[in-house]
Amino acid sequence: DAKTTQPPSMDCAEGRAANLPCNHSTISGNEYVYWYRQIHSQGPQYIIHGLKNNETNEMASLIITEDRKSSTLILPHATLRDTAVYYCIAHTGGFKTIFGAGTRLFVKA
Amino acid sequence: DSGVTQTPKHLITATGQRVTLRCSPRSGDLSVYWYQQSLDQGLQFLIQYYNGEERAKGNILERFSAQQFPDLHSELNLSSLELGDSALYFCASSVRGLANEKLFFGSGTQLSVL
Repeated sequence: DAKTTQPPSMDCAEGRAANLPCNHSTISGNEYVYWYRQIHSQGPQYIIHGLKNNETNEMASLIITEDRKSSTLILPHATLRDTAVYYCIAHTGGFKTIFGAGTRLFVKA
Repeated sequence: DSGVTQTPKHLITATGQRVTLRCSPRSGDLSVYWYQQSLDQGLQFLIQYYNGEERAKGNILERFSAQQFPDLHSELNLSSLELGDSALYFCASSVRGLANEKLFFGSGTQLSVL
């Protein structure tokens, strides 16, 4: 499974879009990009995933570059409840990959 | 509510002891995963089961073992406990454990080894 790189922390103003980047330059063609988040010590929560195309659901949008070496998770209107650690994962299944440290997003009023 | 149930929520025990953590996956999910999260650390994959069979193994210590039963619930057994085993242990489930399936996580078991 490809290794992913994320900034350790980011700030975002409430109501603004939060754009969280992820680098996965060694990703292979059959690896999906997944995003999860963990609020405090709760169980991680699935956000979105994609293979090649950009994806959107009720929670967020996922933008994957054409070469698939990086992606961006977009929370369109961040709220205080979106403060969490966001994990980007690239894998083929089996979830053998360590989630990594993720990005700690602070949404400020 | 993810539909994944973990018991107990909290467990306090002493070094050298043995404990069992239990996980019931979402209805219909055949694959179960176990993760360990130590203080301020990321999620460490331990092991995955699919329909009763071990499918993938991560950094699981020899003192730890797991199994998935015919009713698909899973148990993680931790023995000869050490202080460093204190952590949050999460269980997750998915339908078949394939690459395009999302995981549903339980709320975790907080293990404290004193």
